[in-house]
Amino acid sequence: AQSVTQPDIHITVSEGASLELRCNYSYGATPYLFWYVQSPGQGLQLLLKYFSGDTLVQGIKGFEAEFKRSQSSFNLRKPSVHWSDAAEYFCAVANPAGNNRKLIWGLGTSLAVNP
Amino acid sequence: KAGVTQTPRYLIKTRGQQVTLSCSPISGHRSVSWYQQTPGQGLQFLFEYFSETQRNKGNFPGRFSGRQFSNSRSEMNVSTLELGDSALYLCASRWAFGDTEAFFGQGTRLTVV
Repeated sequence: AQSVTQPDIHITVSEGASLELRCNYSYGATPYLFWYVQSPGQGLQLLLKYFSGDTLVQGIKGFEAEFKRSQSSFNLRKPSVHWSDAAEYFCAVANPAGNNRKLIWGLGTSLAVNP
Repeated sequence: KAGVTQTPRYLIKTRGQQVTLSCSPISGHRSVSWYQQTPGQGLQFLFEYFSETQRNKGNFPGRFSGRQFSNSRSEMNVSTLELGDSALYLCASRWAFGDTEAFFGQGTRLTVV
């Protein structure tokens, strides 16, 4: 079955420290891959996406993610975290074939940032 | 350009009642999807509408239904509410069915008491 795993439920980092959020997927083929962020009381905002090509993708707010086919992973990174990055982060996948773009989600990683 | 608008933002209902939530997609977008978000289950896909037709459906009971109007606005309805239906309901709009990028509204927080 298709699934997305975010192994870390909660992460706390200090402001200015680097960040890596993990995402592993189980899928028949390489899916479309997404990272979304959800701030408290808000909807979801797309940070970045990977469809094909360069395995290192750049997103908004200084985030990047690297697709590793051999590890079925799509980890999100940021070199220096800001207090405003505190939020819930979701990894998601979608079928690359046909028109079914139903998103399958991980359970999310809650990020806290210490001043 | 206005984003995805969901109304109301908050709702409190009693078990057994029914509820209707509304979603107005981004202007020009014709596909609307609905998701249920709960702490234990995360984000679960409910259904997707495009051109007033349901194109995709998740694994939810028949108490959950939806529709889309000719102006692309969508409503979802939950009948005979149960305590477990308490959740954040998110709507996402896309330019077209099969489009890769979804834009989300702020959600409707439904509490069933």
